[in-house]
Amino acid sequence: VQLVQSGAEVKSPGSSVKVSCQASGGTFSSHPVSWVRQAPGGGLETLGRIISSINIVDYAQRFQGRVTLTVDQSATTAYMELSRLRFEDTAVYFCARERGGASVALASWGQGTRITVSS
Amino acid sequence: DIQMTQSPSSLSASVGDRVTLTCQASKDIKKHLNWYQQISGKAPKLLIYDASNLEIGVPSRFSGSGSGTHFTLTISSLQPEDFATYFCQQYEGLPTFGGGTKVEIK
Repeated sequence: VQLVQSGAEVKSPGSSVKVSCQASGGTFSSHPVSWVRQAPGGGLETLGRIISSINIVDYAQRFQGRVTLTVDQSATTAYMELSRLRFEDTAVYFCARERGGASVALASWGQGTRITVSS
Repeated sequence: DIQMTQSPSSLSASVGDRVTLTCQASKDIKKHLNWYQQISGKAPKLLIYDASNLEIGVPSRFSGSGSGTHFTLTISSLQPEDFATYFCQQYEGLPTFGGGTKVEIK
């Protein structure tokens, strides 16, 4: 499966951003999707994980109330919306689909979407 | 949250060297541990899942071991394409990553 994400964006502090992740050659119906970000020069940080088949979403505590993960009805496009943006939200945001089965391993990744928060 | 600590944060090695990277969990995560390789800020690539299972298409020079709180990733003979940053990820709770180990050319 290939995951293709939407393009880079520059946003103002306090605004929101919505990033899409489209799957080809597969769906998200039986494969949970995680959203992971990487600040410049930094490590990997999970924002949350969505299991669309059973409508379960799990958010990292530090993003609770600011991030919303969804998957469309066809289970081919996943979305991550981050609100009340801060300068420190500047990062590359990745979607990733799990390999399936009991493992929560992220086997397929999007190319990343650069979000810059700037005034 | 479960904290993951990787060591060393960076290392220098030569082609052909055997290298071992370590990942320590702040609590027992059984074998719920994956390893990824990231080259120059590109999307990470899954190498090892469930502590010791080699992902399809990954060269056999990569191996993983461990359970509980202590895990290792070993590259048996370092190749030029292996110079990268390696991250471990636990999934006992919401998945979290270690800080990474950067493998550089000596």
